[in-house]
Amino acid sequence: GAGVSQSPSNKVTEKGKDVELRCDPISGHTALYWYRQSLGQGLEFLIYFQGNSAPDKSGLPSDRFSAERTGGSVSTLTIQRTQQEDSAVYLCASSPTVGFAETQYFGPGTRLLVL
Amino acid sequence: GQNIDQPTEMTATEGAIVQINCTYQTSGFNGLFWYQQHAGEAPTFLSYNVLDGLEEKGRFSSFLSRSKGYSYLLLKELQMKDSASYLCAVSRPYMDSNYQLIWGAGTKLIIKP
Repeated sequence: GAGVSQSPSNKVTEKGKDVELRCDPISGHTALYWYRQSLGQGLEFLIYFQGNSAPDKSGLPSDRFSAERTGGSVSTLTIQRTQQEDSAVYLCASSPTVGFAETQYFGPGTRLLVL
Repeated sequence: GQNIDQPTEMTATEGAIVQINCTYQTSGFNGLFWYQQHAGEAPTFLSYNVLDGLEEKGRFSSFLSRSKGYSYLLLKELQMKDSASYLCAVSRPYMDSNYQLIWGAGTKLIIKP
């Protein structure tokens, strides 16, 4: 597609379950970013990828969170043993390259609700 | 620490002008972005400033003063569709050759008829 896509668009899960969120960046974009946005809050950086490697994982809230990217394209964010505080919108963005002036193009997000 | 401040909420009237301020304190500075985010939607790029001064783009303009750690987004001839949150983000050097984008919490702009 022309833009960044994410799936699922909505996910309701029970506390303690694992969830996997998927992001398909714009074709050819080498940089991919994951953010979390709680209701009425700004964006919280989680992790970014340059190609398949993740130079900066400093934003991951705990070791329950992990992410990978394969083939320089699709990325998955996995949350293990979900907690209620994990409920948020998870946004993925991509940019043509990694650069401080690069515009990030966002996907529609996955709305995660942990009961 | 790194810090970006924006007003939480502003209200303006259709057809008027509104200025949304953003102040930042970061160790290092590459440039400053403004993004627009409609409720329930993804943020979309509005502007990028790296040098001091005013950048005009149609009804939207963005200003930067690096010495004051200050930026504003100016919206003219407001339309109802401008009701959205406006996010300020600062790019700074980080971890050798990398950079980090620090995001403000956003300003929710409410346009009234």
